[in-house]
Amino acid sequence: DIQVTQSPSSLSASVGDRVTITCRASQDISQYLNWYQQKPGKAPKVLIYGASNLPSGVPSRFSGSGSGTDFTLTISSLQPEDFATYYCQQSSSIPVTFGPGTTVDIK
Amino acid sequence: QLQLQESGPGLVKPSQTLSLTCTVSGGSILSGSFYWSWIRQPAGKGLEWIGRFYNSGGAHYNPSLNSRVTISLDTSRNQFSLRLSSVTAADTAVYFCAREGGYSNYFEYWGQGNLVTVSS
Repeated sequence: DIQVTQSPSSLSASVGDRVTITCRASQDISQYLNWYQQKPGKAPKVLIYGASNLPSGVPSRFSGSGSGTDFTLTISSLQPEDFATYYCQQSSSIPVTFGPGTTVDIK
Repeated sequence: QLQLQESGPGLVKPSQTLSLTCTVSGGSILSGSFYWSWIRQPAGKGLEWIGRFYNSGGAHYNPSLNSRVTISLDTSRNQFSLRLSSVTAADTAVYFCAREGGYSNYFEYWGQGNLVTVSS
């Protein structure tokens, strides 16, 4: 199985802050890396697919980069609705695996 | 807009089989090239992929659950189903159905989730 790790596991930030979350895969997954946002009691929502692509409707303050084993999700200016848990997910091989999550809370 | 909705019992006894159905509306389960997937999340924990069924045929399962899992499609009802046998308390979780596809096979559409508790 491809293991996916995330750092940090949690962070505290203020509205307007630039936030960066890192995801690392245990082997080369090219750009088969997706990012999701999950709020309590809700299903995850895709933010980034294919490492750097923004789905329609996702605000442009979200961006993704990376390839191979190292990836980054950046929120350029944190908004109140962005306080949530973020997961990365590799889709390069079966089984599909998710990172353990990064919780972003209010400073 | 595609919508997915899980249904099934919220309580299952240990050693029994968990059965859930995901009803798809707003589009046909046979349209396009997509995987119809199940994912679960124990309370306060992360996401675990269970498996998927390709609408052109064929299934993939998480090896950690492989021998206990079956995912199938019911095209006449535009539904897909999950069966997980010999459940234990460790299978207690919120179960999500989702559509997986597109470049990089991401989960674009999700159901709201169905909490299943395994307890006697």
